[in-house]
Amino acid sequence: SQTIHQWPATLVQPVGSPLSLECTVEGTSNPNLYWYRQAAGRGLQLLFYSVGIGQISSEVPQNLSASRPQDRQFILSSKKLLLSDSGFYLCAWSGGLFSGNTIYFGEGSWLTVV
Amino acid sequence: QKEVEQNSGPLSVPEGAIASLNCTYSDRGSQSFFWYRQYSGKSPELIMSIYSNGDKEDGRFTAQLNKASQYVSLLIRDSQPSDSATYLCAVRFYGNNRLAFGKGNQVVVIP
Repeated sequence: SQTIHQWPATLVQPVGSPLSLECTVEGTSNPNLYWYRQAAGRGLQLLFYSVGIGQISSEVPQNLSASRPQDRQFILSSKKLLLSDSGFYLCAWSGGLFSGNTIYFGEGSWLTVV
Repeated sequence: QKEVEQNSGPLSVPEGAIASLNCTYSDRGSQSFFWYRQYSGKSPELIMSIYSNGDKEDGRFTAQLNKASQYVSLLIRDSQPSDSATYLCAVRFYGNNRLAFGKGNQVVVIP
């Protein structure tokens, strides 16, 4: 069966510090990968989307970036965090267009920028 | 702009009653619809997916889809305190690999 893991689960970072969140998927190959952010009262916002290694689509302009160095690894980064970057970050995967494209989420990472 | 709307405020239901949640979407060509449940502080988990008009039942959950009216609903029968959570509606718009999510509806089941 497929599993998705992301880490760290929680982190508190000062403004201006870097960020790295990692996510890995097991039990499937060539998944579509996603990073979402959920801020209070704003619902789920898609940040990045990837259909393959090195292929990243950005949905929202911001100071965050994403990379996919391996087929089942997705990384969210920032060089300098802003207060507005605080939120609940969710990595997710789906099996592709012809598999129904259901999205499954990882456990999430709580980021507080202070 | 394509949107998914869940406009109802928090829903309080007594234990054993039916909870009814509604969701509307703007893209008439949408083909895939999903309901997720999210407990406080946790990530969303898939409850149901529905692709065709009509009802789809899974245990105490029933999803209803009406593409002509562009809405999808979720019924929770025999509501239990463990059903207390936020329910997110998600829609895959036509020609798009991504899901668009509504803001969610909070359900509180009162024992």
